[in-house]
Amino acid sequence: DVKVTQSSRYLVKRTGEKVFLECVQDMDHENMFWYRQDPGLGLRLIYFSYDVKMKEKGDIPEGYSVSREKKERFSLILESASTNQTSMYLCASSPALGSEQETQYFGPGTRLLVL
Amino acid sequence: AQSVTQPDIHITVSEGASLELRCNYSYGATPYLFWYVQSPGQGLQLLLKYFSGDTLVQGIKGFEAEFKRSQSSFNLRKPSVHWSDAAEYFCAVGSGGYQKVTFGTGTKLQVIP
Repeated sequence: DVKVTQSSRYLVKRTGEKVFLECVQDMDHENMFWYRQDPGLGLRLIYFSYDVKMKEKGDIPEGYSVSREKKERFSLILESASTNQTSMYLCASSPALGSEQETQYFGPGTRLLVL
Repeated sequence: AQSVTQPDIHITVSEGASLELRCNYSYGATPYLFWYVQSPGQGLQLLLKYFSGDTLVQGIKGFEAEFKRSQSSFNLRKPSVHWSDAAEYFCAVGSGGYQKVTFGTGTKLQVIP
């Protein structure tokens, strides 16, 4: 089974702090994604990466950055956390080739509260 | 740009009753379509997907969905709902290649005894 793990299930940070959310997948997937999930808004794509050291902006990249130094690990960084970044953050990965590329496998999520 | 609409925010059904969750998409070519389920406090789990071929797709946990190109729909169905099906369900559309997958806003399912 594909396994996507996220470093924390719950996180509480203060406004202005730098926050790191880590995601690791164990299936040698090429693509990795970060979403945030808010009630009534569904999932919104923040950033994705289709290869090591490659990254692409999603729909809502402002206030976030990412890092992919190794294939299995994709980090989301909140440079200076703000209260409007309180949300559930979901990481996903998918393989690179063929129709299976579009099937994303999700981690359990990190619920972040910024005070 | 592709988009997905899930018109029902909340649905309540009795245990044992049938279920249909609606999903409409907008995309110019043949889309890739997905249904995911999210139990409270959890990540998303893939229920089923459509890429091509047979328009009636079987998934896990007894779910199925039918792709109807003429109606731009991909509705999810289950003949008999169990209390453990209470969750939030997301429809999603993709377009192949490195294009992103776009998710709907979700339908929250409540199952009453």
